[in-house]
Amino acid sequence: NAGVTQTPKFQVLKTGQSMTLQCAQDMNHNSMYWYRQDPGMGLRLIYYSASEGTTDKGEVPNGYNVSRLNKREFSLRLESAAPSQTSVYFCASRLTGRDTEAFFGQGTRLTVV
Amino acid sequence: SQQGEEDPQALSIQEGENATMNCSYKTSINNLQWYRQNSGRGLVHLILIRSNEREKHSGRLRVTLDTSKKSSSLLITASRAADTASYFCATVNSGGSNYKLTFGKGTLLTVNP
Repeated sequence: NAGVTQTPKFQVLKTGQSMTLQCAQDMNHNSMYWYRQDPGMGLRLIYYSASEGTTDKGEVPNGYNVSRLNKREFSLRLESAAPSQTSVYFCASRLTGRDTEAFFGQGTRLTVV
Repeated sequence: SQQGEEDPQALSIQEGENATMNCSYKTSINNLQWYRQNSGRGLVHLILIRSNEREKHSGRLRVTLDTSKKSSSLLITASRAADTASYFCATVNSGGSNYKLTFGKGTLLTVNP
């Protein structure tokens, strides 16, 4: 059981380049999340998806797009990377329901130069 | 804005002492969860307390919840060097969406041997 898998683990981009962060879970969870973590800021929610085919904005969605490709996969796309998007990105998944815990991937460390 | 705010931002104690971290939140919740993060890795769920519960125990962890004050505390008893990590509270809001999971900024706990 792999849990939540994120790829890549590390990435360096030039300003203006685009890339997609991939996330897949094998726990049959309905809800999936993308967070970014910056020093002193904790985890901030970028986008989340309650179920296949639905996505909603979180606290900091600007500059990002997401796709819930199927129940397993939830990708995060940066169309034109900016230095302000340098961060560690975490994907998480959770069973839909009130009292369920989230499971996290190991993170993608992204640097935009 | 982020839902949870942990206090203190950093805490340093000696092995064997107890560690207490606090979390305040802003809106009505279904539950409050505590997570742990070791040095840049993914978050791991520790304990969940429902909105109708006041106290919960799990091993050396004790969580309290005061919904009238919109606050929670996490107590780690008899701390060990291996407890050194960042600790985050997270909330699932009530009133509609049970999907959105938002985190605070975290408390960095250092347990000195």
